Amino acid sequence: QKEVEQNSGPLSVPEGAIASLNCTYSDRVSQSFFWYRQYSGKSPELIMSIYSNGDKEDGRFTAQLNKASQYVSLLIRDSQPSDSATYLCAVNMKGSYIPTFGRGTSLIVHP
Amino acid sequence: EADIYQTPRYLVIGTGKKITLECSQTMGHDKMYWYQQDPGMELHLIHYSYGVNSTEKGDLSSESTVSRIRTEHFPLTLESARPSHTSQYLCASSATQGVSEKLFFGSGTQLSVL
Repeated sequence: QKEVEQNSGPLSVPEGAIASLNCTYSDRVSQSFFWYRQYSGKSPELIMSIYSNGDKEDGRFTAQLNKASQYVSLLIRDSQPSDSATYLCAVNMKGSYIPTFGRGTSLIVHP
Repeated sequence: EADIYQTPRYLVIGTGKKITLECSQTMGHDKMYWYQQDPGMELHLIHYSYGVNSTEKGDLSSESTVSRIRTEHFPLTLESARPSHTSQYLCASSATQGVSEKLFFGSGTQLSVL
């Protein structure tokens, strides 16, 4: 089992819809969780971080964390074509301050 | 916008050549990293540094070496490049955010070894 698992996609949603991206992780004691966005041919950039169970909202983005079930998700409301990118989930494993990355989920928002 | 720079952006070289990938940051971050990423695959940590004169190997076995003589500079060297080294190399630096690190990435070096 990979330490951080994501469905590679692609996930295709129409413009204006809610895109839901999911991530599961293997280390039950993980404390820090991140979502990075990576446009094709570009480097990753951090868009959300979450540390506590529940929801964290930032504009059109909502991160959801459920430590008991060991999953973290990212919701993108009112999806735009400019949101089309690969979304990388990253988790701090086994007390390390360096995050472990998942493979990423490709999101396509079509007009 | 993050101030971390990588050169060259693209590099095509022959087998056996020695190369150095440059990475510099102007944010004063102590921690810096090198990741390797193949298309559709995870980022794999190959080297990291806590600060000047501190370097560690990451999770992915690598034939490369790094040095950290100055805070802002973290070059990666391949003594003898092979086709298996063909990949995207990403440099990052980080700012501590609570108990974890927020990573800022450079634009990457796409290396092709013929």
